Formats: sequence, structure tokens, C-alpha cells
Amino acid sequence: QSVLTQPPSASGTPGQRVTISCSGSSSNIGSNTVNWYQQLPGTAPKLLIYSNNQRPSGVPDRFSGSKSGTSASLAISGLQSEDEADYYCAAWDDSLNGWEVFGGGTKLTVL
Amino acid sequence: QITLKESGPTLVKPTQTLTLTCTFSGFSLSTSGVGVGWIRQPPGKALEWLALIYWDDDKRYSPSLKSRLTITKDTSKNQVVLTMTNMDPVDTATYYCAHRSSITAAFDIWGQGTMVTVSS
Repeated sequence: QSVLTQPPSASGTPGQRVTISCSGSSSNIGSNTVNWYQQLPGTAPKLLIYSNNQRPSGVPDRFSGSKSGTSASLAISGLQSEDEADYYCAAWDDSLNGWEVFGGGTKLTVL
Repeated sequence: QITLKESGPTLVKPTQTLTLTCTFSGFSLSTSGVGVGWIRQPPGKALEWLALIYWDDDKRYSPSLKSRLTITKDTSKNQVVLTMTNMDPVDTATYYCAHRSSITAAFDIWGQGTMVTVSS
């Protein structure tokens, strides 16, 4: 049972816009920034979004993040077949001396 | 260019202690704000955050695993070591180490991961 809650699956057709939600609490998302990771099949995770809505160099602007209260969202516009992957949100949690928590992951399928 | 690589046993027996080493290049763990963390992923399951060590030797652990984990660093060797005691089959997973940037406060560079199986 992950501390952050994500839908287990999402899907869309090429060109569509899809969003993935991430729900937490006041001790994590409510008081800290959210990061998003993309994990392509058989590979290590890759940082996709940091500090709620910042893209590392090289990440297409089709990917965007937002946060409101104790929830966050990842949006992917102009969906492409290569976006088919697992997506994880993460945030620092201020409880118990501080640690980081991940969501349970969302498997995105491009139909 | 920052790179990290995990090394350690691929198979451990139940109750044994696992020792994993993360050898990195392209950065120094004595640089202010920098950290190295460990994350694992059981087959077909989600990522699980394990531990993090910062440049100033500040250490953080997953509360559920804290009693079993120890993270240390050897700045001169560019290595971070994670030990996990009392291994159990449920600890079977791919273990990743990752660089934590002071700028992003995120794991911006990951190692390739190493698969550890716990079985008698």
C-alpha cells in the first residue's frame, strides 16, 4: 500500500491529452514539492518533472505537472506511442524524521 | 557526465545480510546539497524508497525498514553502501541507486539497477 495514491492504469490514443493524478496528505504533497518519474519497460526510472512543474533538460514540453493542496497531476499532451510506460509520483514526507514516498504507479497504455 | 552503478550478490539466502555498493562518477558526495539514495522495485510492482545519504552524512530511512537498513558513504572511493539485514523472499527486487540533486531535490540520474533474489 503506497503512501501516495495513483490510478493503476490510464490510456489514450495518439494525439490525445491524458492526465494522471497523485493524491497524498498534508505531511507530503501538502507541504512539499512533487516529482514525477517515467519508467519505460525494462529500464530504470527517469526524472520527468521536478518541483511540481519543472522539466529537466531534454524532457519535451508535452509533459507538464501541477499541484494543488494535497494532490498533484501529470499531463501528457499530444500522446505518442513512445509515452507508453509506468509513471510514478514522489514527494518528501515530513513525518517520522523525514523520508520520501512514492505513488503506486500508473501504467499508461497508448491505444 | 554523472553515472552510477550498483553491485552486489544476485542471490542471498533468507536471514542473511545483503550488502550493495553504488559506485558513481561525475560528481562528489562532498559537494553541498548532493545525495545518493536507494530505491527498490519487486518484480511487477511499484518503486519503494529505501534510504538516502547526503553530503554532510545526514541519513534518512524508510520508517518501515529502518531497523534493517544502514547507509554509509566513502567519499574517497565515490561509493555508497547499503546493508539490509535479515533478508526475506519478499525483499526480492531490483535495487537502484540514484543521484539526488540539490537543484531539483529529486533523483535525477539513476543506475541501471541490480536484481537481488532471496531464496534458500
